[in-house]
Formats: sequence, structure tokens, C-alpha cells
Amino acid sequence: NAGVTQTPKFQVLKTGQSMTLQCAQDMNHNSMYWYRQDPGMGLRLIYYSASEGTTDKGEVPNGYNVSRLNKREFSLRLESAAPSQTSVYFCASTEGATQYFGPGTRLLVL
Amino acid sequence: DAKTTQPPSMDCAEGRAANLPCNHSTISGNEYVYWYRQIHSQGPQYIIHGLKNNETNEMASLIITEDRKSSTLILPHATLRDTAVYYCIVSGTSYGKLTFGQGTILTVHP
Repeated sequence: NAGVTQTPKFQVLKTGQSMTLQCAQDMNHNSMYWYRQDPGMGLRLIYYSASEGTTDKGEVPNGYNVSRLNKREFSLRLESAAPSQTSVYFCASTEGATQYFGPGTRLLVL
Repeated sequence: DAKTTQPPSMDCAEGRAANLPCNHSTISGNEYVYWYRQIHSQGPQYIIHGLKNNETNEMASLIITEDRKSSTLILPHATLRDTAVYYCIVSGTSYGKLTFGQGTILTVHP
């Protein structure tokens, strides 16, 4: 039981490049989330998926798109990366009250 | 979701109890109090949650005042590994969305 896994662990992009951050969970959870965390700050919700086939915007959705590919997988796409998107990205899943977080993807946009 | 106020930092001696306060004066009747912690940029880790009654698990105890406007997380015997940022979060049950503030940096000293 791996919990929540994220790939890649670290990525460097140039401004304007695109990439997809992958997230998968093996706990059969319905809801999944993408957060970003900037230095010295708390986490901010980008997008969430309450159940397979549904997605909704969170607090900071601009510049991102998501896909809930199936119950296990929830991907986050940056179509045209900007330096302001340099951050640590966390994926999470939940069933009931407890959210389980992945180890994070550290993204640097130059 | 109700906003929370936490002290920015606290210190605790190893082996002593760590008592982390949280104010949530605008909490509504159906909102839970959650505590998470984040150790050195890892993904946040669930600790405990409660609605009205005090709660205890293997990690911590949660004391909620009778008027529910504040709460205290208690780590009964703090260890060096408990050094982390502790987040107090108030949330309803809408798909488990969590709003993270800046939290309290707890430093446990030898």
C-alpha cells in the first residue's frame, strides 16, 4: 500500500514550457486534490475532484488544468509555465475526514 | 470555512507536553477542527480532528472549548521528531477541502 505517489519529484522548466504532474493513490478514495506551497506559506488549493469524472476550481486555479483520469489518478497540467508557478506541488486524497498527502513535486520555472 | 489564528512559533523541551493553541471564533456549528503537521517540507500529515468533544489518539489530544471558539492540540511527551509546522484548520464536510494558514512552527529542544 503506497498511499499517494507523485511524479516527478523535481523538475526544472523554462518559461513557456508545458508539463504534467502525475498523482496516483491506491486507497480507493473518491476525492483528490492539488495544492501548491510557496516558501514560508501554507498550502493553497489549486483544483480538486470530489469523485471520478468531476473537477472543480480551488483558490488558485489560473494557469493550471487537471484531469481525473480514473479513480486512482489525478493529473495537473501547466500549459505554459511561468516563474510565478515555481513552487512545491502536493497531491492529496481523502475518504471522510482525513487527507493523505503525497511527498510533493518541486518545480522550478526559469 | 472559518478562519483560524495560531501563534507563529513555539518552543518545547523534549519529554515535556507541547500545548499548541488555536483560535477559531467564527466557527459554525457543522465545522470540524482539524490538526495537521508538516515536517521539513514533506507532505502534511493528519494528526487529529474533532467537532465538540475532546479527542485523543495515539499521536495527540485535542481539547475544544465549550463555546468551540478555540482549541488546543496537546502532544503529551514531545520528541525531537515532533519539530514541525502545525496547522489548525476549520472546515465543513464539503468534499474535505482544507484551507491552510501559516501554522505554528514548533521547535522541540533537547
